[in-house]
Amino acid sequence: AQTVTQSQPEMSVQEAETVTLSCTYDTSESDYYLFWYKQPPSRQMILVIRQEAYKQQNATENRFSVNFQKAAKSFSLKISDSQLGDAAMYFCAYGRGGGADGLTFGKGTHLIIQP
Amino acid sequence: DTAVSQTPKYLVTQMGNDKSIKCEQNLGHDTMYWYKQDSKKFLKIMFSYNNKELIINETVPNRFSPKSPDKAHLNLHINSLELGDSAVYFCASSQAAAGTSRSTDTQYFGPGTRLTVL
Repeated sequence: AQTVTQSQPEMSVQEAETVTLSCTYDTSESDYYLFWYKQPPSRQMILVIRQEAYKQQNATENRFSVNFQKAAKSFSLKISDSQLGDAAMYFCAYGRGGGADGLTFGKGTHLIIQP
Repeated sequence: DTAVSQTPKYLVTQMGNDKSIKCEQNLGHDTMYWYKQDSKKFLKIMFSYNNKELIINETVPNRFSPKSPDKAHLNLHINSLELGDSAVYFCASSQAAAGTSRSTDTQYFGPGTRLTVL
């Protein structure tokens, strides 16, 4: 079974600075996808970024980028120029390629932005 | 234009009651899911449906039953509610199709339904 581990229950960063959230996963599959979702206090689940396992290039979306280390099964999220609106729970998630059996989520990291 | 909608957003009920949560998506996706988020914010897949067929059931109690009248809807029925059922329930949809070479596509989530059982 796949597992996703987020070892940082909470992180704090000053506004405008950079923060990195960690995620590791375990799978025996070769075809899979990794995601970071953001959940603000409104509880809406918002996709931040997505990475296909077969792509070596790290995904980037504006201020958000990932460091995907496939051999190490590591998938960290870097947020640059942190903004107050980035404050939220961040969930790392794994999805098996070619299937529709749902995502496996980590326990989340609560990100606090200090003004 | 809400992509994935759920009703109601809040549901408060007594133990032993039967309740339903509705989910609709207007994205044209062919797979829909139900997730449960517990009090510690942990999200776990409950069901997924593809073309009206149940694909996976993650050992949830049989008091929970998904019902899909068509590709755009996946409702969740819960019988004999228990205190431990209190949680936030999320519906999601994606374009993934089981049994094909198509990859897992991004899942889009509804706003969630907070269920409180008293």
